[in-house]
Amino acid sequence: ETGVTQSPTHLIKTRGQQVTLRCSSQSGHNTVSWYQQALGQGPQFIFQYYREEENGRGNFPPRFSGLQFPNYSSELNVNALELDDSALYLCASSPRTGRGNTGELFFGEGSRLTVL
Amino acid sequence: DQQVKQNSPSLSVQEGRISILNCDYTNSMFDYFLWYKKYPAEGPTFLISISSIKDKNEDGRFTVFLNKSAKHLSLHIVPSQPGDSAVYFCAASEVNRDDKIIFGKGTRLHILP
Repeated sequence: ETGVTQSPTHLIKTRGQQVTLRCSSQSGHNTVSWYQQALGQGPQFIFQYYREEENGRGNFPPRFSGLQFPNYSSELNVNALELDDSALYLCASSPRTGRGNTGELFFGEGSRLTVL
Repeated sequence: DQQVKQNSPSLSVQEGRISILNCDYTNSMFDYFLWYKKYPAEGPTFLISISSIKDKNEDGRFTVFLNKSAKHLSLHIVPSQPGDSAVYFCAASEVNRDDKIIFGKGTRLHILP
C-alpha cells in the first residue's frame, strides 16, 4: 500500500511568483486536504477536495487554489507569492465515504516552500 | 482566534514516567477530537481520537480524556518511552458540519533517559 507522496520536497521562490505543489493520495483514498504549517504553528486548513470538487475551505485568499484529478491526486497552486507564504505545505488523504470526516487523516511529508 | 489551544510549547518527562499533554478548545460545537504525533521531516501521524459522546478512550499506552464541561482534553502516555519524543498536535472537528480539522500549535515532548 503506497502512502501519501508530495513533490517537490523543498523549493525556493521569489515574491510575486507562482508555485504548484503536487500530492498523490494513499491508495483507496478519495479525499485530499491541504494544510499550511508555518514555523512554530500547527497545520492550518486550506481546503479539501472530494470527487474533484472543492469541499470546504479555510481562511485563505483566492490566490490559493487547487485541483483534484480522477485518480484522486491533487495540486495546490499559489499565485502572487508573498513572504508570509513561506511554510510547510502538507497534503493529507482520507477514505471519506459520506458526509463528515472523523479527521483520521494520512499526511505526506510535506513540501517546504521558501519565498524570498 | 485560536479555537484549539495547547498552552505548553514543550514538556520534558523522565523515561518510564507518565506524560500528560493538555489541550483546551473554545468551540462547543466540536464533536470529535484527535491527537497527532509528528517527528522531524515527517508528516503528522494519527495517534488516537475520541468522540464527544465519550469521556475516555484508551489504546495501549495512550489514553485520551475529554472533559466537555471544561472544554479540555488530555493525552496520557504511560509509560513514556524514548520513541515518544515528538511534537504532539491536538485537533478537533465538527463531523456533521464540515471537514475542517482545526489543529493546536503543538507541544514538543522530550523523553529524558
